[in-house]
Amino acid sequence: GEDVEQSLFLSVREGDSSVINCTYTDSSSTYLYWYKQEPGAGLQLLTYIFSNMDMKQDQRLTVLLNKKDKHLSLRIADTQTGDSAIYFCAESLRDTGRRALTFGSGTRLQVQP
Amino acid sequence: DAGVTQSPTHLIKTRGQQVTLRCSPISGHKSVSWYQQVLGQGPQFIFQYYEKEERGRGNFPDRFSARQFPNYSSELNVNALLLGDSALYLCASSYLDSSGGAKDTQYFGPGTRLTVL
Repeated sequence: GEDVEQSLFLSVREGDSSVINCTYTDSSSTYLYWYKQEPGAGLQLLTYIFSNMDMKQDQRLTVLLNKKDKHLSLRIADTQTGDSAIYFCAESLRDTGRRALTFGSGTRLQVQP
Repeated sequence: DAGVTQSPTHLIKTRGQQVTLRCSPISGHKSVSWYQQVLGQGPQFIFQYYEKEERGRGNFPDRFSARQFPNYSSELNVNALLLGDSALYLCASSYLDSSGGAKDTQYFGPGTRLTVL
């Protein structure tokens, strides 16, 4: 089955690192994504990782994937107030050409100055 | 380059009415997907279209339909609107290369906020 779970809320101080966690259940996933959504806006793609990778780094963002535990995390270094938003983890199922994304409920990141 | 565009940005309808939402994908992208995002939840997959053909459908009633045009733009239609259809409707485009890889990554538009009264 398809199920993606995230914690609802995370609060950090400006300059600290943020770690947002996600668990997924479908072992056939091939791509896992992180999206950012600011109030009233669409989804901004932050980064993605292939399921045959363990880690991916992209500037302030580090994605870690633990395939055994089906656990995905997004680390934001030197968190800024502009990083305050809702972060969604999503998995993409690769079957018969369909690339539908299954999203978690989102983690609201609050950055305190 | 322009990103994914959607129109209108906001829409207010009453129960029982019909609505049409429009989406233009990123230039060069051949696939369009539609998602519904109810307040406080993550987006839910509705449809995916590729080369004018439906490639996938989520768990939504037949009141929801869509189509894709030769220029790869798409319309989402919802008939007999219910209060529960109030949501942000997101369109995403991707290249959907059959060989897979990063080209299948979906890029989202700003959404259409539909309010049903």
